Amino acid sequence: AQSVTQLGSHVSVSEGALVLLRCNYSSSVPPYLFWYVQYPNQGLQLLLKYTSAATLVKGINGFEAEFKKSETSFHLTKPSAHMSDAAEYFCAASTSGTYKYIFGTGTRLKVLA
Amino acid sequence: GAGVSQSPSNKVTEKGKDVELRCDPISGHTALYWYRQSLGQGLEFLIYFQGNSAPDKSGLPSDRFSAERTGGSVSTLTIQRTQQEDSAVYLCASSLGALEGLDQPQHFGDGTRLSIL
Repeated sequence: AQSVTQLGSHVSVSEGALVLLRCNYSSSVPPYLFWYVQYPNQGLQLLLKYTSAATLVKGINGFEAEFKKSETSFHLTKPSAHMSDAAEYFCAASTSGTYKYIFGTGTRLKVLA
Repeated sequence: GAGVSQSPSNKVTEKGKDVELRCDPISGHTALYWYRQSLGQGLEFLIYFQGNSAPDKSGLPSDRFSAERTGGSVSTLTIQRTQQEDSAVYLCASSLGALEGLDQPQHFGDGTRLSIL
């Protein structure tokens, strides 16, 4: 069965430091991959998506993610963290032939002043 | 507004009561999803509607949970005889649907926070 694993339920970075949030998927077929952000008391907002057009995907708010088939990974990065980036981040995958997303358990990002 | 709208935003009720949660999807979106997000957990898929097709109810946790979508638009999730373990945030999402491509992102509402006393 397909699964999505997010390493680290909590990540803390200093303001201005690199943000790296990890996501690995298990699937014999490269899926469609998504990163979402959830701010307190809000729904999920799409940051970016991978759909096989390019392995490096740029999203909103300065985030980007790189699809690495050999590592079955889709890690999310941002060169310089901002206080406003503090939120929970979810990685999700869907595979060809299914409309369901499989979500990771989320990573809560804390940005330290 | 142009986004997915959910109501109420918060609901507190006593154990054993029935509750109805409403979702108004983005206009033109044929696919509608319900998820449950428990404290500290990821998103648990509940049910999926696609156009006029029979819904995928495979994620509903018990027969106390049901959902309908009238006229291919607004959806209502009903929980009967609520239990304390039903306390969670219930999120609704909509998308253009699988027929338009499986890479269509889902757009989420802000959720209904349900608390069972």
